[in-house]
Amino acid sequence: QSALTQPASVSGSPGQSITISCTGTSSDVGGYNYVSWYQQHPGKAPKLMIYDVSNRPSGVSNRFSGSKSGNTASLTISGLQAEDEADYYCSSYTSSSTLPVVFGGGTKLTVL
Amino acid sequence: EVQLVESGGGLVQPGGSLRLSCSASGFTFSSYAMHWVRQAPGKGLEYVSAISSNGGSTYYADSVKGRFTISRDNSKNTLYLQMSSLRAEDTAVYYCVKLATVTTFDYWGQGTLVTVSS
Repeated sequence: QSALTQPASVSGSPGQSITISCTGTSSDVGGYNYVSWYQQHPGKAPKLMIYDVSNRPSGVSNRFSGSKSGNTASLTISGLQAEDEADYYCSSYTSSSTLPVVFGGGTKLTVL
Repeated sequence: EVQLVESGGGLVQPGGSLRLSCSASGFTFSSYAMHWVRQAPGKGLEYVSAISSNGGSTYYADSVKGRFTISRDNSKNTLYLQMSSLRAEDTAVYYCVKLATVTTFDYWGQGTLVTVSS
């Protein structure tokens, strides 16, 4: 089961905006609007930030937004804050595996 | 408040067995599919196994198929993962995860560490 492709790392300064990409195929990201994004701080469990491509769960800052174009989904964080420094993982429904979910390899966000 | 509390992790020798448990509260456990996701030290997330709300359907990653068994007891609000023939590459933090809709994991436990080593 191949992972979705994310950049290993991204960085930005406080107040700036950054975008993390998540590239899959037509069997996962491109074929369905079931992309989620999770934030994970060191030693902590992942936290749902975006679901169904662009929806935010209650309590998640509106500085976090999601979108999709073709086989690539994106997470944008605007107005970067120090507490945004974490690992970010995308996931998607997939029709090409016996398991319905595939994760990205993760992206380390550094706030400079 | 939704809570998922894993237990049962620890150090086990290669070839050994271990059973993980996840005690759930704060939601109608019997109405939701449940999942196990693991994370090897310094690595990304790996989807391990899933079970339908009534336990009638189960799913496994190829890497654990035939060695791990997922089950649930809805009367006890508890999810299990029986792991056997453990290998060094099974070393990871194992998370119990609740599925909200389709493929959205809305609540995660704190994780339990399984270390396979001699």
